[in-house]
Amino acid sequence: NAGVMQNPRHLVRRRGQEARLRCSPMKGHSHVYWYRQLPEEGLKFMVYLQKENIIDESGMPKERFSAEFPKEGPSILRIQQVVRGDSAAYFCASSPARAIRGYTFGSGTRLTVV
Amino acid sequence: DAKTTQPNSMESNEEEPVHLPCNHSTISGTDYIHWYRQLPSQGPEYVIHGLTSNVNNRMASLAIAEDRKSSTLILHRATLRDAAVYYCILRADRDDKIIFGKGTRLHILP
Repeated sequence: NAGVMQNPRHLVRRRGQEARLRCSPMKGHSHVYWYRQLPEEGLKFMVYLQKENIIDESGMPKERFSAEFPKEGPSILRIQQVVRGDSAAYFCASSPARAIRGYTFGSGTRLTVV
Repeated sequence: DAKTTQPNSMESNEEEPVHLPCNHSTISGTDYIHWYRQLPSQGPEYVIHGLTSNVNNRMASLAIAEDRKSSTLILHRATLRDAAVYYCILRADRDDKIIFGKGTRLHILP
């Protein structure tokens, strides 16, 4: 029973390139959440998705960032035209519908923009 | 999510119990108290949650004050691997996202 799988673990991009971060939720989990953690800072909520629907994107930057969770395949967090300030750890979590118990987090993708 | 207050950091000796406090004076009747922890270079990990009664699991115990305005996470016998940032979070029954605060950085001394 694999946990939440994120890939790649480490990603290096030059300024102006695109970054694609993937998250495969746990089997049976239909809800996906993305969080960002800047160096030496706390975890910031970005977006909450269910299959083919964005439920809450109140934490997403207005430009360059998008997320999707298609009917088939992993959830994707996409960052266009990356800048140095996008360097951070990006964590994905999943849960079953209306989970009181809590989320299961992946190990994260560490994005470095050079 | 309602606000929680935790000490910025704490220290404890290895193999001794650790009591991590959390104040949540504005908690509402439907808020669950959740604890997560984040080990260095890893994603957060669910530890325990409760509503009114004290809770125990293989990782920790959660002691909830009778008025629910505070709670304490108890690690019964700390090991070096318990060194992490511990987050106390309130989550309403119907909420679907968890908001993290700054947490308590726990240092374990050998």
